[in-house]
Amino acid sequence: DGGITQSPKYLFRKEGQNVTLSCEQNLNHDAMYWYRQDPGQGLRLIYYSQIVNDFQKGDIAEGYSVSREKKESFPLTVTSAQKNPTAFYLCASSIVRGQSSYNEQFFGPGTRLTVL
Amino acid sequence: LAKTTQPISMDSYEGQEVNITCSHNNIATNDYITWYQQFPSQGPRFIIQGYKTKVTNEVASLFIPADRKSSTLSLPRVSLSDTAVYYCLVDDAGNMLTFGGGTRLMVKP
Repeated sequence: DGGITQSPKYLFRKEGQNVTLSCEQNLNHDAMYWYRQDPGQGLRLIYYSQIVNDFQKGDIAEGYSVSREKKESFPLTVTSAQKNPTAFYLCASSIVRGQSSYNEQFFGPGTRLTVL
Repeated sequence: LAKTTQPISMDSYEGQEVNITCSHNNIATNDYITWYQQFPSQGPRFIIQGYKTKVTNEVASLFIPADRKSSTLSLPRVSLSDTAVYYCLVDDAGNMLTFGGGTRLMVKP
């Protein structure tokens, strides 16, 4: 089945530890995104990448880092510098504008990170 | 960036038609209007997208007036399973989507 996967679904870490969230897609999409969602709030963009080996900061990049070594993978590291890391993290992918007038983003199931 | 405004919450009953209106006064000429649905603890799911007039698919209809400063998502005959948060977004340049707080729709029996 084609889709986007995130693992693990639930993640617990101690304060001060770095943690890496996995995101993989087999949709052959060029663009990938990471969002953060807090309870009762909308999604906020952390980082995005439109091509391998390139990525851009979103609205709330501080305390996070990403890599894009493969088209299929876009892991997110939550560092100890992130002051309030407990949240629901969503990864998404899409085609890149220019290939189509649509910009539908396909989302993974999310990872709920709790920092104790 | 074009900003959207939509009601925080709405209540409805099973079998009714639900209309959620979104305003986007600063929409640009090349922007599309997109709606997503999100269930608790899941990622958002694309519902419908349009540029002008009316778009209909198997799930919903999207009405966009000529000035494109607002849009209305119409869900026909809702069921309990339509209880979710609905986000209205304007697709601005650079593939970025800005998610606001969305509209929490509660469908009651």
